[in-house]
Amino acid sequence: DAGITQSPRHKVTETGTPVTLRCHQTENHRYMYWYRQDPGHGLRLIHYSYGVKDTDKGEVSDGYSVSRSKTEDFLLTLESATSSQTSVYFCAISEAARGYGYTFGSGTRLTVV
Amino acid sequence: DQQVKQNSPSLSVQEGRISILNCDYTNSMFDYFLWYKKYPAEGPTFLISISSIKDKNEDGRFTVFLNKSAKHLSLHIVPSQPGDSAVYFCAAYGNKLVFGAGTILRVKS
Repeated sequence: DAGITQSPRHKVTETGTPVTLRCHQTENHRYMYWYRQDPGHGLRLIHYSYGVKDTDKGEVSDGYSVSRSKTEDFLLTLESATSSQTSVYFCAISEAARGYGYTFGSGTRLTVV
Repeated sequence: DQQVKQNSPSLSVQEGRISILNCDYTNSMFDYFLWYKKYPAEGPTFLISISSIKDKNEDGRFTVFLNKSAKHLSLHIVPSQPGDSAVYFCAAYGNKLVFGAGTILRVKS
């Protein structure tokens, strides 16, 4: 087990409400990522972090924000959830910016009604 | 615009036969390619990779082939087993990992 956990595993929320997903790692890896998985699109990068307080946008960052105040935690916030944000969200970690790929968490299934 | 494309949404193969999953890419700057496997309710897990300086990499039953001129790679699974039934994602390194849409592989016993 790579020591990466996501919480919650499932969540149903109403349109317009804020939602925060948490990713926690025990590997002390520098890089952390948030992806969303949707049918026909595969995995798309939302935001990533290359260190504490260092974050940057991915290809589908609109409507999302992130924070990383500690090495082990990377939070993804939907400021005002919309139905288009219904998805499965995966956190990933990596030791280096490039290498043998990323290690993924088990995912959070978010439904916005 | 998808830079990594997996044009076959699904593939069904008989146990013991070869499974061939295909992936095309458009960005000539990609220099490292990976395949991930994903079971339901789990995160993707790394399967096999290949650098652009090679054209083949083998790991047990899994072999990845890279054709740089065609910007095409493929994953061969021989022999296929029912436990191989999963979603397979092709991914490529540009600045960060870019993933294809995935192919659902079903191996029938």
